[in-house]
This record gives sequence, structure tokens and C-alpha cells, in this order.
Amino acid sequence: AQTVTQSQPEMSVQEAETVTLSCTYDTSESDYYLFWYKQPPSRQMILVIRQEAYKQQNATENRFSVNFQKAAKSFSLKISDSQLGDAAMYFCAYIIQGAQKLVFGQGTRLTINP
Amino acid sequence: GAVVSQHPSWVICKSGTSVKIECRSLDFQATTMFWYRQFPKQSLMLMATSNEGSKATYEQGVEKDKFLINHASLTLSTLTVTSAHPEDSSFYICSARRGYPEAFFGQGTRLTVV
Repeated sequence: AQTVTQSQPEMSVQEAETVTLSCTYDTSESDYYLFWYKQPPSRQMILVIRQEAYKQQNATENRFSVNFQKAAKSFSLKISDSQLGDAAMYFCAYIIQGAQKLVFGQGTRLTINP
Repeated sequence: GAVVSQHPSWVICKSGTSVKIECRSLDFQATTMFWYRQFPKQSLMLMATSNEGSKATYEQGVEKDKFLINHASLTLSTLTVTSAHPEDSSFYICSARRGYPEAFFGQGTRLTVV
């Protein structure tokens, strides 16, 4: 079965500090895409960052970066210089090349302490 | 670009009535749209995949006669909850695929059945 596991239901971090959210996934496929989505209190799902499995270089988007370990099937999200607006639920997800459906993790609720 | 608009944002209906939720891709054509249901503090649960001009593909356990999905054009998919009951109260989210594998999400609809 295709699964995504986010082992941290909740995380908190002080404003301006760095936090890492964990994600592991299970697939026997070699070609897929990985995503981190953010769902703030407004509940609008926002794409934070995307990684193609065939790329060895870790994706980066401003303060957001990932640590993609393909052999370990791990895809963690690092948020640097945390801001109050980063407070949200974060969902890790993947899709196998050619498939229709995204597979989501259970989510991690991130709190930013001022 | 890549804006998905969902309407209404919230709706209250009486038990036994039907309610329609619209999902529109405003600045791109979406051959595939997805409908999710989200319970409080939980992840997104895929209900169905909607392809333009064809019947929707429902996930196991989703009642296709209760949750009617129509994808009549490349920019519009609708979800109709028929004969709604209080247990259908939930947050419903649509997403639309622009290219592959990107999917963009609407802002969601909170349905309350009284």
C-alpha cells in the first residue's frame, strides 16, 4: 500500500528559529514527485515545495528547503527563520509518475511562538 | 496564475435537501479535478476523481448516488450532496490539475446540515 507517515502530530518553534518536519513514505516505484503543502487557519491548501524523485539536488524555495533521502524514503521540510505566518498544518504528499492521485500524510500542526 | 475558486465558502442546509458546490479553474483548463473531504484535525480524504466529459471515479466507500459529481467543462466541476444528513457535515475541498503533476486547491466549502 502507498502510505505517507508524518510522525510528528504537532511541532512548535520560536519565531526566527529553524524547524524540521519529518515525512517518510512507502512506494516500490522509482519515479514519483513529492510535495509539502501548507494549510493555514483559512484552510486554503498552498503548495510550499516540490521535489522530483529523479533529482538528487534538494529543492529550495526561499526559507523552505527539503532533505530528500530516496533510499531511506524520507522527505523532511526545513523552515528557516520561522515567521508567525508559517503557523499552519503541513501535509507531506507524493504522486507516482503517471498516477492520478496524491497520497497525503496525516499532517503536522506547526505553532510559531513569538 | 493557477487559481481555483470554490463556491460557496460555507453553506447551511436542512436535512433531506440537496446542496451543490462548484469548483472552477479561473485561469487554466483542467481536464482532471479532484474532490476531497476533510474532517476536523485530519488529513484530506479523496472522494472522487473527475475527468472532463466522463463519469467520475469514486474512491471505495464513497456513495456515488449521494455525492454526485459533474465535470461538464474544462473549467468547472460540481459536487452535489443529495438528501444531505447531519453526518454529511464536513469541509469539502476541490483541486484542479494544470499540467502534471501540479494540482491547485480551492479554498474549500464548509457544509453544515441541520
